[in-house]
Amino acid sequence: NAGVMQNPRHLVRRRGQEARLRCSPMKGHSHVYWYRQLPEEGLKFMVYLQKENIIDESGMPKERFSAEFPKEGPSILRIQQVVRGDSAAYFCASSPRTGNNEQFFGPGTRLTVL
Amino acid sequence: QQQVKQSPQSLIVQKGGISIINCAYENTAFDYFPWYQQFPGKGPALLIAIRPDVSEKKEGRFTISFNKSAKQFSLHIMDSQPGDSATYFCAASKGSQGNLIFGKGTKLSVKP
Repeated sequence: NAGVMQNPRHLVRRRGQEARLRCSPMKGHSHVYWYRQLPEEGLKFMVYLQKENIIDESGMPKERFSAEFPKEGPSILRIQQVVRGDSAAYFCASSPRTGNNEQFFGPGTRLTVL
Repeated sequence: QQQVKQSPQSLIVQKGGISIINCAYENTAFDYFPWYQQFPGKGPALLIAIRPDVSEKKEGRFTISFNKSAKQFSLHIMDSQPGDSATYFCAASKGSQGNLIFGKGTKLSVKP
């Protein structure tokens, strides 16, 4: 049973470009969470999605950031017009069902903005 | 306001010793408390978790102690090994929604 998959593992963008981060949850998991980790810090919650629905986006910046989890395909975190402060590791976690708080994390995407 | 406070920031333990990491939380609505282990360049891996209806949970060399009245919980690693050297994060969540609130992490180094 494959774990949570994220790609790309490393992404380099210049200021003003767009970054697209992909996450495929574990098989059978329908809940996806995105977190951001700055160097030497803990993870900060960004957004929680179920298939075709955003459940909680309270941790996501209001501008430039968006997320989706379509009926088919991976969840995508999109960052438009990236700035240097967006440089971080972005982790996706998946969970099997509502009420089960166990979250399993992917290897992360390390975004570097030049 | 930091909802989950973790200490110490770093910890050095001799091989075979006991590593103890502490966390304190503010929100009494939290009902799920996991610990994660993270190696450099990797994603966090779920180690062990506890709910507030029990005061202790043990899995192998890892034990969580939970004190509901003090709003504190701790991770004990018995017989610490160099391979345990990693960053450990405590976290908390509430209800079925489950987004995790993390502590800032403890960097553990186990010396041979």
